[in-house]
Amino acid sequence: GAVVSQHPSRVICKSGTSVKIECRSLDFQATTMFWYRQFPKQSLMLMATSNEGSKATYEQGVEKDKFLINHASLTLSTLTVTSAHPEDSSFYICSARVITVARQVDWGGYTFGSGTRLTVV
Amino acid sequence: GQSLEQPSEVTAVEGAIVQINCTYQTSGFYGLSWYQQHDGGAPTFLSYNGLDGLEETGRFSSFLSRSDSYGYLLLQELQMKDSASYFCAVRDRGFQKLVFGTGTRLLVSP
Repeated sequence: GAVVSQHPSRVICKSGTSVKIECRSLDFQATTMFWYRQFPKQSLMLMATSNEGSKATYEQGVEKDKFLINHASLTLSTLTVTSAHPEDSSFYICSARVITVARQVDWGGYTFGSGTRLTVV
Repeated sequence: GQSLEQPSEVTAVEGAIVQINCTYQTSGFYGLSWYQQHDGGAPTFLSYNGLDGLEETGRFSSFLSRSDSYGYLLLQELQMKDSASYFCAVRDRGFQKLVFGTGTRLLVSP
């Protein structure tokens, strides 16, 4: 099946530093990647949609300059949290829609990375 | 925009049946799906309803009523491993993004 590999799974960083999170599609091409943030005991909130070779589309209220998204290839999308602060501590997870060559996979076709637990101290 | 409301928490005992409701408001509807998420893990797909009615997948079933903007997930023969968070979700057709509901935490006790 379609797999998205997300790294790192956990990261602790100091305030003011930047952290990069990578999501790689291992056995399919992900033209679009979705980035979510999830605070404890809350829902997944969509932050942005990244498209290969073009600028990401950010959801309302998400700071573009703080959460840098790059989708330079069909298999790699990255999220960089710049100048991280304790309030950025959260669970970040990526997702891709899997579209097969022969048939467009519908609802079962969203595959998720394993998530990154970011703690800013 | 879209908003999906779920009860925050549901408790049940092993072997029981539990129903998790989802009411939604969307600017266009392209089906309702359900995901399970264990603490610290990724969401996993459970079920999808594109049309009204009941969809059954093993111990899990999902129901949709488009006229009522309402759906539910039914879990039967509950097991301890079913303790997790459950989310309903809708798709934004234009951008293909998935928007999640508020989530329901299910606690299954012995």
